[in-house]
Amino acid sequence: NAGVTQTPKFQVLKTGQSMTLQCAQDMNHEYMSWYRQDPGMGLRLIHYSVGAGITDQGEVPNGYNVSRSTTEDFPLRLLSAAPSQTSVYFCASSPPGVSTDTQYFGPGTRLTVL
Amino acid sequence: AQSVTQLGSHVSVSEGALVLLRCNYSSSVPPYLFWYVQYPNQGLQLLLKYTTGATLVKGINGFEAEFKKSETSFHLTKPSAHMSDAAEYFCAVKEGSNYKLTFGKGTLLTVNP
Repeated sequence: NAGVTQTPKFQVLKTGQSMTLQCAQDMNHEYMSWYRQDPGMGLRLIHYSVGAGITDQGEVPNGYNVSRSTTEDFPLRLLSAAPSQTSVYFCASSPPGVSTDTQYFGPGTRLTVL
Repeated sequence: AQSVTQLGSHVSVSEGALVLLRCNYSSSVPPYLFWYVQYPNQGLQLLLKYTTGATLVKGINGFEAEFKKSETSFHLTKPSAHMSDAAEYFCAVKEGSNYKLTFGKGTLLTVNP
């Protein structure tokens, strides 16, 4: 298994540009989520999905959209990038079941918005 | 609502010394508790977790943590620090079957030779 993969690893955008951060997992996990990591802030939940076709907002959803058309993929879209979205973005997934506890993280995407 | 407080954004120890990273949580239901480690320019890796049962939890790389309900704490310890332990450590809480993890702000561990 490749686990959780994220592309690209690095990205530089200009203010107002749009882009999609890709996240995929090959472990048949139902739950997937996006976090952003900023210095001194820990990880904050942006959006999450409990299965294909189901998404919901996390703690900091403004400026981001998600969709979940398949179990494997959970892309994060920035419609109009702003400097405040400069951050490191992590995707994570968890297997199904009430006893689910561990989340598996991707390697991250480092985004800079100028 | 669940929350996590990590005391000390930066902890510095000498190689061979005790490592103690503090974590306190707030949860309205019995919590699941986690410690994750992040090495420079990498993603997060699970160190250990507490779900139910034994309150002293052993993880990878010689780390352990004890769940103390009366103190709402889940401090991370290692008897003897190694240079390779230098990283950022995150405590996280999850309420039962709720998938969402809430993270603390992290503690950067520096190990001096």
